[in-house]
Amino acid sequence: DAGITQSPRHKVTETGTPVTLRCHQTENHRYMYWYRQDPGHGLRLIHYSYGVKDTDKGEVSDGYSVSRSKTEDFLLTLESATSSQTSVYFCAIRGEQGALGQYFGPGTRLTVT
Amino acid sequence: QKEVEQNSGPLSVPEGAIASLNCTYSDRVSQSFFWYRQYSGKSPELIMSIYSNGDKEDGRFTAQLNKASQYVSLLIRDSQPSDSATYLCAVRGIFGNEKLTFGTGTRLTIIP
Repeated sequence: DAGITQSPRHKVTETGTPVTLRCHQTENHRYMYWYRQDPGHGLRLIHYSYGVKDTDKGEVSDGYSVSRSKTEDFLLTLESATSSQTSVYFCAIRGEQGALGQYFGPGTRLTVT
Repeated sequence: QKEVEQNSGPLSVPEGAIASLNCTYSDRVSQSFFWYRQYSGKSPELIMSIYSNGDKEDGRFTAQLNKASQYVSLLIRDSQPSDSATYLCAVRGIFGNEKLTFGTGTRLTIIP
C-alpha cells in the first residue's frame, strides 16, 4: 500500500457543511494526488502537490481546495459540500524510480446528503 | 474522442484461457503506460508499467505497447477467478510527467 493512509475511511455529511479528508504517507514522496472515482467517469484528478506548499489544479478542482504544510500530509477540503461531491476519494503518491507510476491509498467513501 | 479509451466490458473469459485487455490513447507524445487492477470496493493497484515498444512480461501478465498505433494491451495467461476485477489503463505524457490520465476501465470476469 506504499505506506499511504487515508482518514476518515467513510463519512456521511450534510449539504453545505465543510469536510476535510486527510492523506498521510510515510515514505517522503514528493508528489501526492487527490482523485475522485465515479461510475462512468473513472478516476479524475482533483488537485496534486509537487512539494510542501506547492499545489496545482486537476481537471475537476471546482469546489475543492488542498493544503500541504508537511511532506507527509496532503489535505483535501470541500468548503461547502454538495450532493454532486458524493464519491470515493483516493489519494496517491508518485513513485520515484522507473516509469514513475502512482500508488493509491485505501480510499474514503464520502456521502453528502 | 476520449484521451484514453477502453472497452468497458464486461469481458468474460474461461478459467485457464488468455484474457486480452486493450487501451488506445490519443496523444502521440505519451511516454509511459500503466495497467492497474481494481477489485470491487478496493483501491487501484499498479500491476504493470511499460514505456518502450514491444512486450514486457511479469509472471502471467504481459503488457504490449505499439506507439505507432497508439495502442497498449494487457494479456493475462492462465486466467484465474482471482483475476476477476476492473482493469484500468493509464497514460503519462499528455499533460507532462507529473500527471496520469486514466481510462474508465474494463471489467473482467473469469468463469470457472
